[in-house]
Parts: sequence; structure tokens; C-alpha cells
Amino acid sequence: GENVEQHPSTLSVQEGDSAVIKCTYSDSASNYFPWYKQELGKRPQLIIDIRSNVGEKKDQRIAVTLNKTAKHFSLHITETQPEDSAVYFCAASIRNSNSGYALNFGKGTSLLVTP
Amino acid sequence: DADVTQTPRNRITKTGKRIMLECSQTKGHDRMYWYRQDPGLGLRLIYYSFDVKDINKGEISDGYSVSRQAQAKFSLSLESAIPNQTALYFCATSKGQGLAGYSYEQYFGPGTRLTVT
Repeated sequence: GENVEQHPSTLSVQEGDSAVIKCTYSDSASNYFPWYKQELGKRPQLIIDIRSNVGEKKDQRIAVTLNKTAKHFSLHITETQPEDSAVYFCAASIRNSNSGYALNFGKGTSLLVTP
Repeated sequence: DADVTQTPRNRITKTGKRIMLECSQTKGHDRMYWYRQDPGLGLRLIYYSFDVKDINKGEISDGYSVSRQAQAKFSLSLESAIPNQTALYFCATSKGQGLAGYSYEQYFGPGTRLTVT
């Protein structure tokens, strides 16, 4: 199937520093790229998403950039706080035979923000 | 609040047993999905359904089957459970894609932790 590669698998930063997580995808038809945050013992929840018609989107301390030519997208978290500690998943839409889209997820990045 | 619910939340079963995991949603979404989560492997798609009459295999459908009983209900069955099906299972829902062809956010249920001994 189509792959989404996510790096790094673990990331440790000090409070106040920035964190960057990168993903690559292989399906040129992918047009939707969400990022999910999963806290320990909880369900994944969307934190930001981007569609292929824009190159960057920002929401307070988080931003996502998309390079369609290179087929990669990144999550940027600035001024990190201990409550940002969680597992983050990127995903890319994949097209099925019925012209609909599902999501293919990366393997996740475990982010630890130390005070 | 509109939500996605899963039953049971935890289940321990023996090898060879048939088990069904159920998902219900009050969001009014057409699309429903089943994923399994294993440490270090992320979320892998098992099956998905775009409407009541539509069922699609995902990346890892072998050993699983599904039933879309209604718009709001999507069940996952393990016909003969095996230990490597021990995992955390998530159901998710989303709206249908828009006119421009873009997908929408998926909303996840709380998960079912399944252990096969």
C-alpha cells in the first residue's frame, strides 16, 4: 500500500524550545494531511490539518507546512510546554477504487517536553 | 455532545473464539473506519465504509470482517481470534468528502483493548 514515513520516532525537547516532526508520502493523489495528538491512554485527536491547495497553515503555537513537489509535510510546535508531551501522528489521504479517500497514518512520534 | 462510542472497552478472550467489537456514533457521519494500534506501528486501517452499502478493505483486513448495520453502527468481527490480534482497536467516523474532493477530519472513539490469550 501507499506509505507515510514519519521521523523522528522519539523527540525530547526542553520547555520553551521548538519541536519539528517530518513526514513523507508516496501517493501523488493525496490531498489532505492531518496531524493527530494522542495523550497517554486517550484517543487520537486532530490538532491541525492542511489541504493540498495551500503550503502552510498556522494555529497559535502549531503550524504545518506542505511541499507537494517533494511530497513531504511537517509539524512545527513553538514554545513547547509539558502538556505538549504526547504521541503525534501524521496522515495522508489515500484514494480508493470508489473515488473516495481514507487515511494512511505514520507510525508516530513520541514527544517529551521536559521542564 | 455528538460522539463515537465503542463496546466493550476491554476484552480478554481465548485463541479460536469469535469476538465482535461494536462502534456507534451520533455525529451523523456517513463514513466509518476501524483501525488497530500496536506500539511502534501507529494506526493501521483494517476496514472502512463510506455508506451503509459500501465496505472496503484496508491495509490489514486478513482475519477480520465487518458489518455496517446502519449509518450509525459499524461492527468489527474476529472470526477466530489469535494472539497476534492483541491490540488496541479504534473506530473512527468522518463526513463524506466535499465537492472539491478533500477529506474531512476523522473523529475517534475511546478504543477497545483486546487481549487474545
